[in-house]
Amino acid sequence: QVHLVQSGAEVEKPGAAVKVSCKASGYSFTTYYIHWVRQAPGQGLEWMGIINTASGSTAYAQKLQGRVTVTRDASTSTVYMELISLTSDDTAVYYCARGGRVGVLWGYMDVWGRGTTVTVSS
Amino acid sequence: EVVLTQSPGTLSLSPGERATLSCRASQSVSSSNLAWYQQKPGQAPRLLIHGASSRATGIPERFSGSGSGTDFTLTISRLEPEDFAVYHCQQYGGSPPTFGQGTKVEIK
Repeated sequence: QVHLVQSGAEVEKPGAAVKVSCKASGYSFTTYYIHWVRQAPGQGLEWMGIINTASGSTAYAQKLQGRVTVTRDASTSTVYMELISLTSDDTAVYYCARGGRVGVLWGYMDVWGRGTTVTVSS
Repeated sequence: EVVLTQSPGTLSLSPGERATLSCRASQSVSSSNLAWYQQKPGQAPRLLIHGASSRATGIPERFSGSGSGTDFTLTISRLEPEDFAVYHCQQYGGSPPTFGQGTKVEIK
């Protein structure tokens, strides 16, 4: 069975950085893209970025360029999302989600992690 | 980027009724690369429909998707108690992928 298991909740101060992990299991890790999506309290879903798990190449939402970095460790089937220079606007639930097959479309998101709550507060 | 506008914002219906949710795109969505997700409070979204009309694995037949180009619809033929939730549309044909703002289906 396909699972994405995310790291636990984080509380950070403004200006700090946070790194969230997403460990995949139940399928061939380097076969599918992984997306990151966030949801601020009471708001909709916002796409943040994507990683090609085979090559490590990435693409990011323009508004987050320069602040977000997605990496992967294929040896442990884990993807990481780091967000720096945090503000209160970054308070949200952060989700990883499996996308399409690598080399085809980025695709829809068929399996989601349970989410990681990141709270930015002084 | 493709802007998706969902309507209505909130739909108040009773169990057993039919729900019709709309998702309109600011430009044509290539190859009907549109998905629908269901989200319940405190849970991650769950994929319902991809390719505008293909049900995901394990999704009941009462959920159906239709449309092409810029206009898409999610229909729930007869609402069950577990269907009251927020529904999001998403396009994945263009970069970046984008989501609509969501439609809440609530019990009347």
